[in-house]
Amino acid sequence: AQTVTQSQPEMSVQEAETVTLSCTYDTSESDYYLFWYKQPPSRQMILVIRQEAYKQQNATENRFSVNFQKAAKSFSLKISDSQLGDAAMYFCAYIRLQGAQKLVFGQGTRLTINP
Amino acid sequence: DAGITQSPRHKVTETGTPVTLRCHQTENHRYMYWYRQDPGHGLRLIHYSYGVKDTDKGEVSDGYSVSRSKTEDFLLTLESATSSQTSVYFCAISQQWDSGNTIYFGEGSWLTVV
Repeated sequence: AQTVTQSQPEMSVQEAETVTLSCTYDTSESDYYLFWYKQPPSRQMILVIRQEAYKQQNATENRFSVNFQKAAKSFSLKISDSQLGDAAMYFCAYIRLQGAQKLVFGQGTRLTINP
Repeated sequence: DAGITQSPRHKVTETGTPVTLRCHQTENHRYMYWYRQDPGHGLRLIHYSYGVKDTDKGEVSDGYSVSRSKTEDFLLTLESATSSQTSVYFCAISQQWDSGNTIYFGEGSWLTVV
C-alpha cells in the first residue's frame, strides 16, 4: 500500500525567510502525481503545487517550489519570502495513475509565520 | 473552482440516527472521494467512486456506506451515527486536464454526533 510521511508536525519561520517542508512516500508504481495542499483555519483545501512523476524538472508556482527526488521518494516543498498568509497546515499527497486512483495524504505540517 | 458542493455544511445529530452527506459536482468527473479529517490523522479515505454504481472502500470505511446513482452525486451515509464519527468530511473530485490530473475539494461538512 502507498504511504505518505510528513516527519515535521510543526515548523516555524520568520516572515520573508525561506522554509522547507519535508515529505517522503512509499510506492512501487512508476506513474503517479504528488501534490502539496494548504489548509488555512477555514479548513478549505487549496492546491499549492503538483508534480508529475515522469517529469524530471521540479515544479514551481511563484514563491512555492518543490524538490522532487524520485529515486529517494522524497518530495519537499520550499516556500520563499514567507508571508503571514502562508500560515496554515500543509499536506503532502500522492495518487497513482494506474488502477484504483486513491489520493493518499500525509499527516500534515503546521506552519507558523513569525512577524 | 471545480464546481463541488457539499451538503449539509454543518449538522448535529444524535447517536444511533442515520445521516447522509451529499457531494454534488457539475462537471461530470469520473472519480469522486469521501475523506474524513481528524486531529493527528490528516485526511483519511472513507470510500471512493470511479463511475456510476462503481465504488470501493478506503482505509476507514467501517460504519459508512456510499452510493452513486448518477455521475454528479456521491452520497455518504452513516447508517447509525456514533460519537467516533464526529469529524469534518471532505468530498473531492479528480479533474483531468491535458497535462494530467488534479484533485479538488469541497468546502467540508462538519458533523457532530452527540
